Amino acid sequence: DADVTQTPRNRITKTGKRIMLECSQTKGHDRMYWYRQDPGLGLQLIYYSFDVKDINKGEISDGYSVSRQAQAKFSLSLESAIPNQTALYFCATSDGLAEFFGPGTRLTVL
Amino acid sequence: SQQGEEDPQALSIQEGENATMNCSYKTSINNLQWYRQNSGRGLVHLILIRSNEREKHSGRLRVTLDTSKKSSSLLITASRAADTASYFCATDADDNFNKFYFGSGTKLNVKP
Repeated sequence: DADVTQTPRNRITKTGKRIMLECSQTKGHDRMYWYRQDPGLGLQLIYYSFDVKDINKGEISDGYSVSRQAQAKFSLSLESAIPNQTALYFCATSDGLAEFFGPGTRLTVL
Repeated sequence: SQQGEEDPQALSIQEGENATMNCSYKTSINNLQWYRQNSGRGLVHLILIRSNEREKHSGRLRVTLDTSKKSSSLLITASRAADTASYFCATDADDNFNKFYFGSGTKLNVKP
C-alpha cells in the first residue's frame, strides 16, 4: 500500500462549490504539507503542519483552509472554488530530510 | 524568495548520453534535494546533499553543490528512456529547515 494517499484522484466541480481534498499517511511523520502545481511549473506551498495542533500558512494560502484531524490525516478545503484554482494538488509528509509525496489530485473548477 | 531555479527548462538527449541539470538558489541552506516527477504523478525523492558536502553519488546520479555560488548540478550518466521526467531541486532555508522551496523544474526527454 502507498505510504501517502490522496482522495479523490480527480475532481471536476463548479465555481462557488466547497471542495475537500483528503490526505492520509502511514509513514508516522509529524510534518505534512499541501502544494499546488500549475502546468509546467514547480510546486507552491499552500499550508503545512508540524503536528496536530500546529498549522502554518504557506506562500499561497488565500482561498484555502486546512484541518489536521490526526497525525495521519491532513485535509485541504476550498471554501468557494474559483477557476484559477484548477491545478494538480499534492500532499506530502517529511521526516525533516526528505519529502514523500502522494499521487496528486487533479482538480478542475469550471 | 528562496525558490530554486533549474536550468535548462528543457533538455532532449539520446539514450546513452549524459544529462546535466543545474539549480541556483538565493539564500543560505541546510540541504538541497533533487526530485523526479513523471508526468502527472507525485514527486519522488532522488538524493539529498547537505550544505557541508560538495558531491554525492547514487547509482547513475551525481550531485554537486557549490555553496559559494549557491548552485547545484545533477548529472545522470548513461541515460535511459525511463529517465524521461521532470527534475526539480528543492532547498530549505537555514533559519527554517521545515519548509522546502521547489524550482520550476527541468523537463528531460531521453530519446530511444
